[in-house]
Amino acid sequence: GAGVSQSPSNKVTEKGKDVELRCDPISGHTALYWYRQSLGQGLEFLIYFQGNSAPDKSGLPSDRFSAERTGGSVSTLTIQRTQQEDSAVYLCASSLLIQETQYFGPGTRLLVL
Amino acid sequence: AQSVTQLGSHVSVSEGALVLLRCNYSSSVPPYLFWYVQYPNQGLQLLLKYTSAATLVKGINGFEAEFKKSETSFHLTKPSAHMSDAAEYFCAVSDQRGGYNKLIFGAGTRLAVHP
Repeated sequence: GAGVSQSPSNKVTEKGKDVELRCDPISGHTALYWYRQSLGQGLEFLIYFQGNSAPDKSGLPSDRFSAERTGGSVSTLTIQRTQQEDSAVYLCASSLLIQETQYFGPGTRLLVL
Repeated sequence: AQSVTQLGSHVSVSEGALVLLRCNYSSSVPPYLFWYVQYPNQGLQLLLKYTSAATLVKGINGFEAEFKKSETSFHLTKPSAHMSDAAEYFCAVSDQRGGYNKLIFGAGTRLAVHP
């Protein structure tokens, strides 16, 4: 079956521009997670969704970062006024239930020039 | 707070040799532990997980890991390395205080396999 998909796979943007990253979880998965993988910080948790609500936003690094999930399915991570330190791979994962195994997408590689 | 330490950012083995990737964790509650593998330009793939059942956990591709509470370790092993095992491996502990699996990852170990 189809796994977690993310788009775009690569994104190059200029400092100060806004970007939107999309995640399509596995169909029927209720929980959705965003992580960031960067050279300096490794793999770090950003935000978690249960359905359309986000009980834990503690990992978002600044108020320039926001995320939403609609219809209990697709999620969008938005970064406003991008900075060079935002350059990283953004990974999305989903799980059937909140304590089940997380399945990861291929990631979006973001480069801020 | 939970944390994970992976000893050795790079490990190199010969094809056919034993693979041993080390992971130590810190957790104030009984942990859920995971090993994920990442191939170049791909996402993370679950190799195996420990969720308080058997302490010796068998995963995919011939990998296994043993949970040792006394040593707070969860080392990953494979008896005989294949060239296709070359990848980056991440150990993770689950912070379940919020009632869900918030994964805390180690820094990763890059495994190289040479002929």
